[in-house]
Amino acid sequence: NAGVMQNPRHLVRRRGQEARLRCSPMKGHSHVYWYRQLPEEGLKFMVYLQKENIIDESGMPKERFSAEFPKEGPSILRIQQVVRGDSAAYFCASSATGSHEQYFGPGTRLTVT
Amino acid sequence: AQSVTQPDIHITVSEGASLELRCNYSYGATPYLFWYVQSPGQGLQLLLKYFSGDTLVQGIKGFEAEFKRSQSSFNLRKPSVHWSDAAEYFCAVNTGTASKLTFGTGTRLQVTL
Repeated sequence: NAGVMQNPRHLVRRRGQEARLRCSPMKGHSHVYWYRQLPEEGLKFMVYLQKENIIDESGMPKERFSAEFPKEGPSILRIQQVVRGDSAAYFCASSATGSHEQYFGPGTRLTVT
Repeated sequence: AQSVTQPDIHITVSEGASLELRCNYSYGATPYLFWYVQSPGQGLQLLLKYFSGDTLVQGIKGFEAEFKRSQSSFNLRKPSVHWSDAAEYFCAVNTGTASKLTFGTGTRLQVTL
C-alpha cells in the first residue's frame, strides 16, 4: 500500500515564476492537508481540502497561494510569482474519514533563486 | 486556539542513555496528541498517539509517552537511545478528526557514541 506521494521532491524556481506542487494521498484517504516548514522551524498548517472542496484555508497567505483537490488526480498547491521567502519544505498529509491520524509525504523542497 | 511548546531546542545524549523530550500543550478540552520524528531531508513519521484511555502509550522504535492532564504535558521517553535515533522530534496536537495539526517547534536529538 503506497504511502503519501509528493512530486517533485526538489523544485528550483526563479523569482516571479510559478511553482506547482503535487500530492497524491494514501489509497482510501479523501482528506488532504498542506503544511510548510521554513528553515529551522516547525511545520505550519496551510490548508485542508477534501475532494473538490476547500475546508479550512486559515493558514494560507492571502495572495499568490492557491490549492485544489479535484475529483480526479492529485492535490495541487500553486504558488504564483514566487519570492525568496517562499523557499521552504512543503509537506502534504492525508487522512481517512473518521480518523485523527495524518500520514505525511516526503515533502517538496522549494528553492527560489 | 491550541498551542504546543517544546522547551528544548537541542538535546545531546550518549548512546545507551535514557531520553525524555518535553512537550506541553494548551487546549481547553481533551486534546489528541502525537509525536512525529523527522530524519534530515525526510518527511515525518508517526511515532505514537494519544486519544483517550491509558495515559501511557507505546509507540514504534521503543518509544513511549505519558499524558499528564494536570501538567498539560505529553513527554516522550525511551529507556536506551540508539545512534539511529538522532533526528528531529515534533510534538503535535489536533482537536479531533478532520482538523489541522498544530506543531511545536521541534527538538533536535544528537546521539554521541
